[in-house]
Amino acid sequence: KQEVTQIPAALSVPEGENLVLNCSFTDSAIYNLQWFRQDPGKGLTSLLLIQSSQREQTSGRLNASLDKSSGRSTLYIAASQPGDSATYLCAVRFLQGGSEKLVFGKGTKLTVNP
Amino acid sequence: ETGVTQTPRHLVMGMTNKKSLKCEQHLGHNAMYWYKQSAKKPLELMFVYSLEERVENNSVPSRFSPECPNSSHLFLHLHTLQPEDSALYLCASSLFRDTLGYGYTFGSGTRLTVV
Repeated sequence: KQEVTQIPAALSVPEGENLVLNCSFTDSAIYNLQWFRQDPGKGLTSLLLIQSSQREQTSGRLNASLDKSSGRSTLYIAASQPGDSATYLCAVRFLQGGSEKLVFGKGTKLTVNP
Repeated sequence: ETGVTQTPRHLVMGMTNKKSLKCEQHLGHNAMYWYKQSAKKPLELMFVYSLEERVENNSVPSRFSPECPNSSHLFLHLHTLQPEDSALYLCASSLFRDTLGYGYTFGSGTRLTVV
């Protein structure tokens, strides 16, 4: 069964700290992996998309890495700010037969304290 | 705004009501999706439409009925729902269904409460 696990479920850090969110997946046969941000009661905002052939992607203070062989991805947030407080979701696009399937993790709820 | 617009943002309905959720995108995407997000659960894929044709139905009860009249619009018709159907319903789109290298764009969701 193709599953995506995110640890920790919740994280609270002081402002300015660098932090890492983790995502692990059970099957290395993937097309890509996408990190999303979700604010309370809102939809998802795409942050970074990493293709299966890539090792990392960067956008501003965010850096996402992908290690397919070990089934892991990390989202690194530098110099965290209170505005970064949100739930971060990892979604993996698995190969499934001749098609693909997008599977989400349950997310990590991040709180950045001023 | 992401380019995917969902209405209404909030909906409260009784178990005997009939209502519809609407999703609209003008990104030129050809695949659209309905997801359900319940508390403390991963997003659950409900339906997938590709080029206006339903290509996936993940064992969703018949009280949820999707409709895709064209590639820009997607509806979710609701009738005789149960309180456990209360959730955030998210619409998403992508360039094509089997897009190698393309991500999804999500709407802001409709918060549904069934009373």
